[in-house]
Amino acid sequence: QKEVEQNSGPLSVPEGAIASLNCTYSDRGSQSFFWYRQYSGKSPELIMSIYSNGDKEDGRFTAQLNKASQYVSLLIRDSQPSDSATYLCAGGVNQGGKLIFGQGTELSVKP
Amino acid sequence: GAGVSQSPRYKVAKRGQDVALRCDPISGHVSLFWYQQALGQGPEFLTYFQNEAQLDKSGLPSDRFFAERPEGSVSTLKIQRTQQEDSAVYLCASSFETQYFGPGTRLLVL
Repeated sequence: QKEVEQNSGPLSVPEGAIASLNCTYSDRGSQSFFWYRQYSGKSPELIMSIYSNGDKEDGRFTAQLNKASQYVSLLIRDSQPSDSATYLCAGGVNQGGKLIFGQGTELSVKP
Repeated sequence: GAGVSQSPRYKVAKRGQDVALRCDPISGHVSLFWYQQALGQGPEFLTYFQNEAQLDKSGLPSDRFFAERPEGSVSTLKIQRTQQEDSAVYLCASSFETQYFGPGTRLLVL
């Protein structure tokens, strides 16, 4: 079992819809969680970080963390075709330490 | 300011050849990480430096892989006697609190 698991997708949503991306992790020592966006052939780009239980909103993006359920999610509201990319969930035990990534979920937003 | 830079961006090597991949981190970032990303997978941790000290090399897949950061800035990842399974994108990230990735080096071993 991988330490960080994501559905590989692809997840397809229509333009303007809410895209919901999910991630589970196995290491209860994980303290920090990150969502990265990766366009094809490009490097990962940080979208959101979350450290405590609850929701964190930034523009059209909302990250949710539930440490009891070992579950992290990313909601993208008003999805745009430019949001089409692979979304990587990552967890870290120590702040500033190495990250363990999931395999990524491919999102496709159809016009 | 400038982001993380990596060179070369692409490298084709014959099996058995040695390669060296370079990473220039964001100025002032103490921490530097190397990851390996296979096609269709998430990045996998290789090694971690804090300044010039290599604090974690648990992800290096074999003793053919070696990394250094002698002056606490630029880092080099060296792969000796490359094998076909080494073909991947090698990503460098530097960090103050969160990790920012460079563009990666795409290595193809023939």
